[in-house]
Amino acid sequence: GAGVSQSPSNKVTEKGKDVELRCDPISGHTALYWYRQSLGQGLEFLIYFQGNSAPDKSGLPSDRFSAERTGGSVSTLTIQRTQQEDSAVYLCASSPWGGFGPQHFGDGTRLSIL
Amino acid sequence: ELKVEQNPLFLSMQEGKNYTIYCNYSTTSDRLYWYRQDPGKSLESLFVLLSNGAVKQEGRLMASLDTKARLSTLHITAAVHDLSATYFCAVDSGGSNYKLTFGKGTLLTVNP
Repeated sequence: GAGVSQSPSNKVTEKGKDVELRCDPISGHTALYWYRQSLGQGLEFLIYFQGNSAPDKSGLPSDRFSAERTGGSVSTLTIQRTQQEDSAVYLCASSPWGGFGPQHFGDGTRLSIL
Repeated sequence: ELKVEQNPLFLSMQEGKNYTIYCNYSTTSDRLYWYRQDPGKSLESLFVLLSNGAVKQEGRLMASLDTKARLSTLHITAAVHDLSATYFCAVDSGGSNYKLTFGKGTLLTVNP
């Protein structure tokens, strides 16, 4: 079956612009995670959605970052007023409810801020 | 704050040799994951270790978990070039939140 799908695969934008990154999880997976991967910081947790529960936003680095998940499926990560330090690969992962299994990762969105 | 430390961070080895990657973590957790990442690619799940003493093997890779020592190992047997990649261990926070804290990764290069 289809894996986790992310779009766009690459995004180049100017500092100060807003960007939206999309994640379509594996069908039936109720848990969805966003991480980012950068050379300096490695892999960092950003936000976690589980079913209809309130999301865990503890990893979002600033209030310029937000995410939503509509209908328990597709998620959008929005970064407002982008800064150069936001340049990274943003990875989405999903897993079945309960989490006792691996998280399945998408191919990521490589974000470059000029 | 949960911390996950991997060592070594860089490993260059010859084909046919054995080696072990170590993953230490700072808080009690009995859920540990190993992932592989090829250059420019995403993370591929290798092993899920869910209890003390768990051992999983796939091909030339074997992973184990000692929750009392807060240590997992990834052992490579008779390495081949195709194993060249970056290997990450990750630990989840426990309870009902499964967010992962990752080690910095081990870049493995297997030379002919």
